[in-house]
Order: sequence, then structure tokens, then C-alpha cells
Amino acid sequence: AQSVSQHNHHVILSEAASLELGCNYSYGGTVNLFWYVQYPGQHLQLLLKYFSGDPLVKGIKGFEAEFIKSKFSFNLRKPSVQWSDTAEYFCAVNANGQNFVFGPGTRLSVLP
Amino acid sequence: NAGVTQTPKFRVLKTGQSMTLLCAQDMNHEYMYWYRQDPGMGLRLIHYSVGEGTTAKGEVPDGYNVSRLKKQNFLLGLESAAPSQTSVYFCASTDNWVQPQHFGDGTRLSIL
Repeated sequence: AQSVSQHNHHVILSEAASLELGCNYSYGGTVNLFWYVQYPGQHLQLLLKYFSGDPLVKGIKGFEAEFIKSKFSFNLRKPSVQWSDTAEYFCAVNANGQNFVFGPGTRLSVLP
Repeated sequence: NAGVTQTPKFRVLKTGQSMTLLCAQDMNHEYMYWYRQDPGMGLRLIHYSVGEGTTAKGEVPDGYNVSRLKKQNFLLGLESAAPSQTSVYFCASTDNWVQPQHFGDGTRLSIL
């Protein structure tokens, strides 16, 4: 069965700091990868997705993620975070017609 | 365009009571999902549907039932609520197995 792990439970950064959130999955075949964001009190929204091609994927709000197949990783990055990026971030994997599997989430707190 | 609408938004139940959560989508999506979100556990799939009249079990189906009598609606039922079912419930829909899911705003359910 697929599983998704996220390295950090809670990350605290100051504004303008760089961000990298880790995501690893366990599945040996072809996968589709996603990052979702959940702002406080809101539903999940798609940040970016990877299906194939360039392993560096750009999403909304200045976020990007890099797929490294050999490491089974899909880490999320942002060069300079803002207070408005405070949210919970979920990595998700979908493989071969199976259902989505979500990671446990990483809570990001950005201090003004 | 409302997207995915969940009702109610909040509910408090006593142990043993029953209730139904309603999810409605106006995007003509075939696939619909019910998740529960618990701290530190991400989203876990309860039940899903790949089309009108179909339902299937997800990762944590025990204690829940679902119905998809109309394409646009996906109902989640709790026949005899238990405190372990206290959670935030999200409905999602998509038009394709691999495409990102669109989420509702969630239902916060407390079982006393």
C-alpha cells in the first residue's frame, strides 16, 4: 500500500526566510504528486501537481516542488515566505488508478 | 459556481445518535470522496464513489455508510455516533482518478 510521510510536523519561520517542506512516498511505480494548502478554517486548495516531464514544478503563490524519483521525494519550496503563508501543507500521492493518499501534514507558522 | 458544498458546517451529537452529512457538487464530477481529518493524521479516506449509484470503502469505513443516488450528491451517514468519530469531515470531487480533487469547506462534528 502507498504511504506518504512528511518530515516536519510544525515549522516556524520568520518572514522572508526560505522554506523547504519534505515529502516522501513509498511506491515503486509511476506516481502523480500533489501539494495542497489548508489556510486556517478553510478547505484544502491545490498548490501544484506533478504528472510527468520537468521534475521541477511551479505552482501558485511562488511555490515550487522538485520530484526526485531516486529518493521517492517531492519537496515543496518557497524562496521567501510571507505571514500569509501560515497554513497547513499536505503532500498527496496518486498511483495507477488508486485513491489519493495524503501525508499527515506540516503546519507552517510564519512570524511577522 | 459553488463548487463543493457541505452541510452542515458544525454539529454536536450525543453518543448513539445518527446523522447524515450532505455533499453537493455542481461540476458534473463523476468521482466523489469523503475524508476525515484528525490532528497529525492528515486526511483519511472513508468512502468514495466513482459514479452515480456506486460506492466503495476507503481506508476507514467502519461506522459510516454512504449513498450516491444522484450524481451531484454524496451522503455520509453515521448510524450510531461514537466519540471516536469526532473529527472534521471533508468531501471532495474530481472528474478523473488522477486529477486534483476539489474540496468542500468541511463539517466539524463533535460527539459527546
